[in-house]
Amino acid sequence: DTEVTQTPKHLVMGMTNKKSLKCEQHMGHRAMYWYKQKAKKPPELMFVYSYEKLSINESVPSRFSPECPNSSLLNLHLHALQPEDSALYLCASSQGTINNEQFFGPGTRLTVL
Amino acid sequence: AQSVTQLDSQVPVFEEAPVELRCNYSSSVSVYLFWYVQYPNQGLQLLLKYLSGSTLVKSINGFEAEFNKSQTSFHLRKPSVHISDTAEYFCAVSRSGGYQKVTFGTGTKLQVIP
Repeated sequence: DTEVTQTPKHLVMGMTNKKSLKCEQHMGHRAMYWYKQKAKKPPELMFVYSYEKLSINESVPSRFSPECPNSSLLNLHLHALQPEDSALYLCASSQGTINNEQFFGPGTRLTVL
Repeated sequence: AQSVTQLDSQVPVFEEAPVELRCNYSSSVSVYLFWYVQYPNQGLQLLLKYLSGSTLVKSINGFEAEFNKSQTSFHLRKPSVHISDTAEYFCAVSRSGGYQKVTFGTGTKLQVIP
């Protein structure tokens, strides 16, 4: 299985809602990532988990809260988002040790009203 | 820190014509280089990568890229493009050796014209 899956595919939420994005991989990768991608822009790194521990937080606002329950799962909890947070949220994973080839999921298209 | 420059934001090309998408990088240490492709409303797919060894790397769908250390470039080429190649292409770089942050270029939109 060489796939990274993400759910949901689309999400519309209000600024007072709490929602979560989910990412899963079964490639035995030990590093997992969250990226945010605005239209016509490259992905921007948000968080990196390595061996289930948060290793990088790119100064992301606290309304985004990552969680790594186990080596296969990565969640992104959302609370009190702003309309400018609307974007494609991409999850990726990599072996984490030898090289940095990252496998991306299809993304969750988030719209904040 | 490393950086990536993709000077061309859009490249229109006729079907069956050759294409080159340019990528230059900046780094003071050894690097890994990647090309990713993103089709509309989809995630990124790895197209090809240079980690070490042969400087010419090829993908299964006819793309190739050559790592040129002296010119700090990793240009992507295809001798004959198809309509289905229309997509956004991102060049990316990371420092070599274990986990390192990947830096993406700003992307080049390849538009294949029938």
